[in-house]
Amino acid sequence: SQQGEEDPQALSIQEGENATMNCSYKTSINNLQWYRQNSGRGLVHLILIRSNEREKHSGRLRVTLDTSKKSSSLLITASRAADTASYFCATIQGAQKLVFGQGTRLTINP
Amino acid sequence: DAGVTQSPTHLIKTRGQQVTLRCSPKSGHDTVSWYQQALGQGPQFIFQYYEEEERQRGNFPDRFSGHQFPNYSSELNVNALLLGDSALYLCASTLGGAKNIQYFGAGTRLSVL
Repeated sequence: SQQGEEDPQALSIQEGENATMNCSYKTSINNLQWYRQNSGRGLVHLILIRSNEREKHSGRLRVTLDTSKKSSSLLITASRAADTASYFCATIQGAQKLVFGQGTRLTINP
Repeated sequence: DAGVTQSPTHLIKTRGQQVTLRCSPKSGHDTVSWYQQALGQGPQFIFQYYEEEERQRGNFPDRFSGHQFPNYSSELNVNALLLGDSALYLCASTLGGAKNIQYFGAGTRLSVL
C-alpha cells in the first residue's frame, strides 16, 4: 500500500515560475525523503528531512515538514526545463522498507 | 565510481516464463533493495537483501524471489510470469539500511506478453 499521497498528481507551469508539490503520509516517521524520476528511469535522491526538522534547503529546493499534520511540501524555485520530471515523497515503514507515494508529474513549459 | 547498474535494460517475456534481473550496487554499499513500478505509479517495495539474506519483504507473492552474492550484487527472479508483472524493476543500494539515502539504478523494463 502507498504511504504517501502527492498533490497535485500533475502540474504544468512556465519556466521561471515556482512549483510546489505536497505530500501527506499516514504513520509516524523518522525522516521523509524526496526523489526525482526522469522519463520512467531511475530515481534520484533530492533531499532528506528528519522528523525534528521543520524546513530544509538545498539549492533551489525548499522542503517543509509538519509532523502534526503528517504532511510535507517541496518547493522548486525559478523552475527550468530540466526540472521536468516526476517527484515522489518517500517514508520508511518498518526497519527497511522505503514507501513511496504515487508522485507528482511536473512539466515546465519554455 | 560506478553507481548502481542493472541488466538487462529491457526484456520481453511471455506468460508463464521465468525471468532473472541483475543488479550491482554502488561501490561500498552492502544493502540492495528491489522495487516494482507500474506505469503511472510510485515504486513498490519487493524485498531487501543484506549479508546475503532477505531482511524485509513487501506484499509480493512467493513467485518473486531473490539472492545476494558475497560481492553484494543481487538477482531478482520472477517465476510463472503474469501480464500484471509488466513494470519497471528498480534496484537501489545503500549502506547499512533504508534509513540512509538509497541510490537507484536506471531500472529494467519488463514486458510480459
